[in-house]
Amino acid sequence: DAGVIQSPRHEVTEMGQEVTLRCKPISGHDYLFWYRQTMMRGLELLIYFNNNVPIDDSGMPEDRFSAKMPNASFSTLKIQPSEPRDSAVYFCASSLSGGAKGGELFFGEGSRLTVL
Amino acid sequence: GENVEQHPSTLSVQEGDSAVIKCTYSDSASNYFPWYKQELGKRPQLIIDIRSNVGEKKDQRIAVTLNKTAKHFSLHITETQPEDSAVYFCAGGGADGLTFGKGTHLIIQP
Repeated sequence: DAGVIQSPRHEVTEMGQEVTLRCKPISGHDYLFWYRQTMMRGLELLIYFNNNVPIDDSGMPEDRFSAKMPNASFSTLKIQPSEPRDSAVYFCASSLSGGAKGGELFFGEGSRLTVL
Repeated sequence: GENVEQHPSTLSVQEGDSAVIKCTYSDSASNYFPWYKQELGKRPQLIIDIRSNVGEKKDQRIAVTLNKTAKHFSLHITETQPEDSAVYFCAGGGADGLTFGKGTHLIIQP
């Protein structure tokens, strides 16, 4: 397996634009997580899915953020409209049994977002 | 929800010395505590984990200890080497979503 695949790797956009980040989890993994990493706040859990169903989105900062998982092999994280404070590295991770139940999280390479 | 505190934020040690990173957690229901290592510009990767029914676990130069009563756990790296330089994250959780500490930047001085 190629691991968790994220795109784009880098995105530079202007404030107010829509941003869509994409993730393909490892085949067979039932859990998918979206994390945001910044120097100030570290790794923050935004939302996670189990069997394509969103389970906990309490980490999503505000209504400008939305995430979907239309099938087991694809998820998107959308920011609309984007703001400079959204600049961060966004990681997608997948797991067989849920991160806190003892399943290793396999992270993608991350999408580095810069909002000017 | 779970809150994980990690200290120190930066740790500099001489090559060959030991390094210790400490974390505390708030949710007594948490029962799984992994440690992830993130090298510069790379993704976080699991290096060791411990469950709440175990007090200590060792893997070569790396060990993790857990004190459930005090709600803290620690990462110990012995005989540090240059390739140990990275950011280390502790995490905890009892439900599905892991909560990460803010990370410790470990610097190995030659």
